[in-house]
Amino acid sequence: AQTVTQSQPEMSVQEAETVTLSCTYDTSESDYYLFWYKQPPSRQMILVIRQEAYKQQNATENRFSVNFQKAAKSFSLKISDSQLGDAAMYFCAYRTYSGAGSYQLTFGKGTKLSVIP
Amino acid sequence: ETGVTQSPTHLIKTRGQQVTLRCSSQSGHNTVSWYQQALGQGPQFIFQYYREEENGRGNFPPRFSGLQFPNYSSELNVNALELDDSALYLCASSFDQNTQYFGPGTRLTVL
Repeated sequence: AQTVTQSQPEMSVQEAETVTLSCTYDTSESDYYLFWYKQPPSRQMILVIRQEAYKQQNATENRFSVNFQKAAKSFSLKISDSQLGDAAMYFCAYRTYSGAGSYQLTFGKGTKLSVIP
Repeated sequence: ETGVTQSPTHLIKTRGQQVTLRCSSQSGHNTVSWYQQALGQGPQFIFQYYREEENGRGNFPPRFSGLQFPNYSSELNVNALELDDSALYLCASSFDQNTQYFGPGTRLTVL
């Protein structure tokens, strides 16, 4: 079974600085998708960034970028120029085939990011 | 384009009761998935519906059931509620199975 591990329960960053959140996963598949979702206190899970495993190029979305190391099964999220609105729980997720044409997301336990003004 | 919506926002039930949670998928999305998120944990997959049929299920007992309607909206039903069912229930919709977009969730408290 696929597992997703986020080893940092909490992180903090100074406003305008850069922070990196770690994620490792375990899989025997060769083609898959990885995601970072943000969950602020409002509870809504917001998609931050997506990475297709077959693409060697790391995904970027404005201030958010990933470092995808397929051989090491590592998928870290870098947030540049941190803003107060970035404070939230961040979840790393792996898309798993669950049979009969369906896919599910397997999530890590999350990292709580605080942004210090 | 409207996003995923869920109702109600909060719900309080007592042990043994039954509950129905509702979800409207994002416009153009034909697949709906439901997740349970216990406090301090990541979401856990309950099941997925595609074109009104359940086509994937996580490790949840049969008292968790669902429906999907022709307009792709969905319901999650939980029978014989237990204290451990207290959680945030998230609905997610997708078009191509590659990316799921989440609603704001329903907070269920079982007393």
